[in-house]
Amino acid sequence: AQSVTQPDIHITVSEGASLELRCNYSYGATPYLFWYVQSPGQGLQLLLKYFSGDTLVQGIKGFEAEFKRSQSSFNLRKPSVHWSDAAEYFCAVGGTGGYQKVTFGTGTKLQVIP
Amino acid sequence: EAQVTQNPRYLITVTGKKLTVTCSQNMNHEYMSWYRQDPGLGLRQIYYSMNVEVTDKGDVPEGYKVSRKEKRNFPLILESPSPNQTSLYFCASSPFGEDGYTFGSGTRLTVV
Repeated sequence: AQSVTQPDIHITVSEGASLELRCNYSYGATPYLFWYVQSPGQGLQLLLKYFSGDTLVQGIKGFEAEFKRSQSSFNLRKPSVHWSDAAEYFCAVGGTGGYQKVTFGTGTKLQVIP
Repeated sequence: EAQVTQNPRYLITVTGKKLTVTCSQNMNHEYMSWYRQDPGLGLRQIYYSMNVEVTDKGDVPEGYKVSRKEKRNFPLILESPSPNQTSLYFCASSPFGEDGYTFGSGTRLTVV
């Protein structure tokens, strides 16, 4: 069965500092991988996605993520965090071939301090 | 505007009273899905649909029903709600597997 682990429940960073959110997945074949962001009281917005090709993918709002097959990881990064980045971030894994069972991690809540 | 619309946004109901949460998308997407979000558990998939009349169970389907009679609509039905179904529910749609989901704004359901 596919699964996603986000080991950090809560992370606090200073504004302007760099950010890395960890995500490890379990999937038997080539996965689709996603990062979503949820601002308080809002739905989820897709930040970026990976299926194949370049293992470093760029997303919206200055985020990027790197797929490392050997480590089963898909960590999200941002070089300089802004106060508006405070939100909850979810990593997700989906199957290939049009199979739409997409499994989410439990989320990492990001706090940004001045 | 391309969007996924859920109704209602908030709902308080009593145990056992059947309810339906509607979901509609205007993007002609093939795939639709329902998730519930609970603190500490993230999002868990309830049901998903790959096309009209094609649905399948997700990770937590017990107590829920869905139907996909039209491409744009994917209602979630709770025939006999119980307090453990109190949650935040999201509907989502996607054109294809690798595109990721577009989410609705959510429905906060309380069952008393």
